[in-house]
Amino acid sequence: DIVMTQSPDSLAVSLGERATINCKSSQSVLYSSNNKNYLAWYQQKPGQPPKLLIYWASTRESGVPERFSGSGSGTDFTLTISSLQAEDVAVYYCQHYYSAPRSFGQGTKLEIK
Amino acid sequence: EVQLVESGGGLVQPGRSLRLSCAASGFTFGDYAMHWVRQAPGKGLEWVSGISWNSGTIDYADSVKGRFTISRDNAKNSLYLEINSLRVEDMALYYCARDPVKYSGGDWYFDLWGRGTLVTVSS
Repeated sequence: DIVMTQSPDSLAVSLGERATINCKSSQSVLYSSNNKNYLAWYQQKPGQPPKLLIYWASTRESGVPERFSGSGSGTDFTLTISSLQAEDVAVYYCQHYYSAPRSFGQGTKLEIK
Repeated sequence: EVQLVESGGGLVQPGRSLRLSCAASGFTFGDYAMHWVRQAPGKGLEWVSGISWNSGTIDYADSVKGRFTISRDNAKNSLYLEINSLRVEDMALYYCARDPVKYSGGDWYFDLWGRGTLVTVSS
């Protein structure tokens, strides 16, 4: 099974500053036949279900603000919020869908400094 | 409105059974694979089980294999999870979630989530 590990576990960033969350998979989630990384990112605000932000490692879901971006390939991935807004306070999860069973990272709690 | 609404959770004694339901609306339920994902109190997300659009492919996490049964009724726009031999470690908020790709075996990410139904296991 593929293990997803996020870093850091928690992060405090000032409003307007950049926030960076990392995700590492125990094996590559890059499918060579289509050159796609089977990696998604979710945002979970308190008391709410997760919300899809990014899929294919870097494709923003419809309606997601442009300040959210995903990057990386193979085993190392990054979610970047270019200018932190108050409404971005949440826990962020990465998830692979390369093979069964799909698994999530442990989550990164993002707060305002 | 496109939505998923879970129900059926509650307080259950260890060893007992429970059936969770997920009602879909606002989209053609029968075209999409569906999943159950759970979240223990204060913890992260764990994929539990998935079922393809036509029930032809079903999969479970090792942690629930043999105790949980996923099923769907496309005529009723509903997804189910039968939970047997409940354990304390099954206590969680259970989310229903949709695969984004029509007619898939359930191999993708999750683009639509319900608000969850809480299963509490205690004697």
